[in-house]
Amino acid sequence: AQSVAQPEDQVNVAEGNPLTVKCTYSVSGNPYLFWYVQYPNRGLQFLLKYITGDNLVKGSYGFEAEFNKSQTSFHLKKPSALVSDSALYFCAVILRAQGGKLIFGQGTELSVKP
Amino acid sequence: NAGVMQNPRHLVRRRGQEARLRCSPMKGHSHVYWYRQLPEEGLKFMVYLQKENIIDESGMPKERFSAEFPKEGPSILRIQQVVRGDSAAYFCASSPRLAGDRTDTQYFGPGTRLTVL
Repeated sequence: AQSVAQPEDQVNVAEGNPLTVKCTYSVSGNPYLFWYVQYPNRGLQFLLKYITGDNLVKGSYGFEAEFNKSQTSFHLKKPSALVSDSALYFCAVILRAQGGKLIFGQGTELSVKP
Repeated sequence: NAGVMQNPRHLVRRRGQEARLRCSPMKGHSHVYWYRQLPEEGLKFMVYLQKENIIDESGMPKERFSAEFPKEGPSILRIQQVVRGDSAAYFCASSPRLAGDRTDTQYFGPGTRLTVL
């Protein structure tokens, strides 16, 4: 079965430190990979996506993610965390053969402390 | 430039009533997706629609749930005879889906939070 895993329910980081939110996927075929962020009682906001090409993808708000095919991972990173980055982060995949259906990970709660 | 609109934002229904959730996609977007976020669970795909067509309904419960996206007007997710287990946040997303491109980003609305008493 196709799946996306976010192994950490929660990540705690001090403001100014680098952050990483992990994501691994298990799919057959070539995936398209996405990161979304959800603030409390809000919808999801698109951060970035990997389609093809350069494995390092840059997105909104200073976030970036690295696609690693051999490790089937797509970890989200930011060099210097802000308190305002505190939110719920979702990794998701679309299978090329299955059109628009996004398969989401369980989400990771990021907490950035001053 | 309005984003995806959903209404109502909050909906309270008693068991057995009907719930109608509406979604207006972003301007120029002709593809709509519905997802459900249950408490303590992640987001699950429900249905993918194009104008007047259901493309993929593999995530829809077999009974009581239906969706449409008419030629004119918003997309509607309808839940008949609601039960407590239907309480969740329902999110709509839209994309332009240019020329069969499967990489279109889906842009999400703020969600409708359904509470069944």
